[in-house]
Amino acid sequence: QKEVEQNSGPLSVPEGAIASLNCTYSDRGSQSFFWYRQYSGKSPELIMSIYSNGDKEDGRFTAQLNKASQYVSLLIRDSQPSDSATYLCAVTGGFQKLVFGTGTRLLVSP
Amino acid sequence: DTAVSQTPKYLVTQMGNDKSIKCEQNLGHDTMYWYKQDSKKFLKIMFSYNNKELIINETVPNRFSPKSPDKAHLNLHINSLELGDSAVYFCASSQDRLAKSNEQFFGPGTRLTVL
Repeated sequence: QKEVEQNSGPLSVPEGAIASLNCTYSDRGSQSFFWYRQYSGKSPELIMSIYSNGDKEDGRFTAQLNKASQYVSLLIRDSQPSDSATYLCAVTGGFQKLVFGTGTRLLVSP
Repeated sequence: DTAVSQTPKYLVTQMGNDKSIKCEQNLGHDTMYWYKQDSKKFLKIMFSYNNKELIINETVPNRFSPKSPDKAHLNLHINSLELGDSAVYFCASSQDRLAKSNEQFFGPGTRLTVL
């Protein structure tokens, strides 16, 4: 079982819709959860972090964490073509190292 | 005023050669990392240094040797390059690796191609 699992996609949504990206993790002891956005040929860019159960909102982005289900998600409201990228879920594992999922490719069509 | 910088951006070399990648951060962070992103875009940690001390050393071949002359710099030297070493190598840094909010910031990456 992979430590952090994501659907590779692509996830296709029309402009203005809500994009929902999901991630599950295997280490119950994980404390910190991050979403990174990576445009093609660029480096990962941190967009959200969440540390406790529930929702955390930042602009059009909402991160959701459910530690009991070992599940973290990212909602992007009013999706724009500029949101088209690969979204990487990352979870803090042993020795505080960051373990990444393989990413979900999001395509937002105009 | 780049936060995390890497050189070179592109590196094309022959099998068997030795090469180095340099990384510098001006964020005042204590911890630096090297990641490898393969052709399938999977991003995996290789090494982590905290204040010049090696903290994480994943199952990386001995041909890879990191060096941290000071906490703002972390270089990666690769001996006897192999075809499978072709990847994008990212450097990253974070303020405090033990903090819950251990947010890591990535450099622009070095695309290594071994021919």
